[in-house]
Parts: sequence; C-alpha cells; structure tokens
Amino acid sequence: AQSVTQPDIHITVSEGASLELRCNYSYGATPYLFWYVQSPGQGLQLLLKYFSGDTLVQGIKGFEAEFKRSQSSFNLRKPSVHWSDAAEYFCAEYRNMLTFGGGTRLMVKP
Amino acid sequence: NAGVTQTPKFRILKIGQSMTLQCTQDMNHNYMYWYRQDPGMGLKLIYYSVGAGITDKGEVPNGYNVSRSTTEDFPLRLELAAPSQTSVYFCASSFGQPTRNSPLHFGNGTRLTVT
Repeated sequence: AQSVTQPDIHITVSEGASLELRCNYSYGATPYLFWYVQSPGQGLQLLLKYFSGDTLVQGIKGFEAEFKRSQSSFNLRKPSVHWSDAAEYFCAEYRNMLTFGGGTRLMVKP
Repeated sequence: NAGVTQTPKFRILKIGQSMTLQCTQDMNHNYMYWYRQDPGMGLKLIYYSVGAGITDKGEVPNGYNVSRSTTEDFPLRLELAAPSQTSVYFCASSFGQPTRNSPLHFGNGTRLTVT
C-alpha cells in the first residue's frame, strides 16, 4: 500500500535561515510526487511536482525539492525563509489516488 | 473565476443528524474529490468522481455518500453524524488525473463538529 511519511510534525526556523522539510514515500520505482502548502483557513496550493526526469524540481515561491530514489525521499527546500512561509506543508504521492503525508507545520521566528 | 466553492464554512451537528456539504466548481473539471483532514493525519480521500454519473470510494468512505449528477457539483452527504466525523472537509477538482498537467484545485474547507 502507498504511504507517505513526514517525520517532522513541527519545525521552527528563523527568518532568513534555510529550510528542509523531509518526506519519504514507500511505493513504486517511478513515483509521482507533490508538495502542497496550506495557509491557515485555506485549502491546499500546489508548490511543485515530480513525475520523471531531472531529480531537482523548482516550484513556486522559491521552493525546490530533490527526488532521491536510493533514499525514497522527496525533501522540500528553500534557501532563505520568509515570515510569510509559515504554514503547513504536505507531501503527497499519486498512484491511483493521491495519498498525503501527515503534514509539517512550519513556524518562522523573526 | 470562483474556482472550487464549498458551503457551509462551519457547521455543528448533533449525533444522528444528517447534512449535505456542498461543493461546486466552475472550471469544467472532470475529476472531483472529497477529503477529510484530521490533525497529524494529513488528508484522507473519502470519495472521488471522474465525471458526471461516476463515483468511487476512496480510503475512508464509511458513513458518507456522494452523487455527481452534473459536472459542476459534487455534494457529500452524512446520513447519521457521529463524533468520529468531526473534521475539516475539503473538496477538490482537477481536469484529469494529477499525473498529467492537471493539478488539484482545493476549496477553502468546511469545519464540521459533531457533538
């Protein structure tokens, strides 16, 4: 069965610091992977997606993610975090349905 | 363009009551989905539809029903509300499967409390 794991429930970083949010998937040699962001009281917005090809994918708002097959990981990164990045982030994997991880809540210290 | 619209935003139900969560989209999307979100659990798929007249169960369909009589609307019905159905419900739509160039568009959610 598919499962997506986000090991960190909460992360706090200082504004301007770099960020890495972890995601591990469990299914498939060629997974379809996504990162979504949810601001308070809002639905989810797609940040980026990986289907195949270049293992480093660029997304919106300055985010990027790297697919590492050997580690079954698809970690999200940002070089310099802004206060407006505070939100909940979800990793997801698609096979015949989209399966989400439990989410990581990001807090940004001024 | 309104996108995906969910009503109501909030609702409190008593155990055993029924209600319908409304979802409509104006993007002519074929695929529509209902998810529930519980803290620390991510989003779980309840039901989905790949077109008018076609619905299918997701991961957690028990206690819910759906219908898809038009492309635009995908209501979710709770027949006998239970405390375990306290959650935030999200409707989403996409043109096709999310593996193609058709990302999911989400509504802003309905927060339901069953007491």
